[in-house]
Amino acid sequence: DTEVTQTPKHLVMGMTNKKSLKCEQHMGHRAMYWYKQKAKKPPELMFVYSYEKLSINESVPSRFSPECPNSSLLNLHLHALQPEDSALYLCASSQDRGRAYEQYFGPGTRLTVT
Amino acid sequence: QKEVEQDPGPLSVPEGAIVSLNCTYSNSAFQYFMWYRQYSRKGPELLMYTYSSGNKEDGRFTAQVDKSSKYISLFIRDSQPSDSATYLCAMKFLHGSGNTGKLIFGQGTTLQVKP
Repeated sequence: DTEVTQTPKHLVMGMTNKKSLKCEQHMGHRAMYWYKQKAKKPPELMFVYSYEKLSINESVPSRFSPECPNSSLLNLHLHALQPEDSALYLCASSQDRGRAYEQYFGPGTRLTVT
Repeated sequence: QKEVEQDPGPLSVPEGAIVSLNCTYSNSAFQYFMWYRQYSRKGPELLMYTYSSGNKEDGRFTAQVDKSSKYISLFIRDSQPSDSATYLCAMKFLHGSGNTGKLIFGQGTTLQVKP
């Protein structure tokens, strides 16, 4: 099973709202990733967690706050977003960071900020 | 100059054609080369990865890496309408070097296979 699940599938939020995106995998992977993807562009890496510790933060604004409560779960907390943050947010996992060449992506959460 | 260059297309071919998708790169330190397929409004799906130079085949798909030319290719034989998607190449440094865990993506090529 190479499934990564993400909830919700769609999210519409106002600029003053607080919301969270959730990602889950049960493949025993110890590296998990958040990406942002705008239309007709490749995914842009936001964060990498390795063994539940944040190992890469690609200078993402603080209105995005990641959390890895356990080895199967990854959250992305959103607060005071801007309309330009509207995008597809993708979660991925791999066995570990060294095997990042074998990443499995979830279906994404389509976020609209109004 | 971008680290990875990929023609965005769109590329339109008739069903049954052989499709060739390509990426060039500038950093000779890349060691892993991946191809992802992404259907509209879905997450990317890993098709295959290759370590260093050489060919790798999986069914109708063949990946080739030519490190001397800094050029990678994905060939799709007997293309089907279901192959219509965006194809993303991606590259990675060897584990232990900087930015372990980070993939560098090309822009993606949109492929349409017409019945």
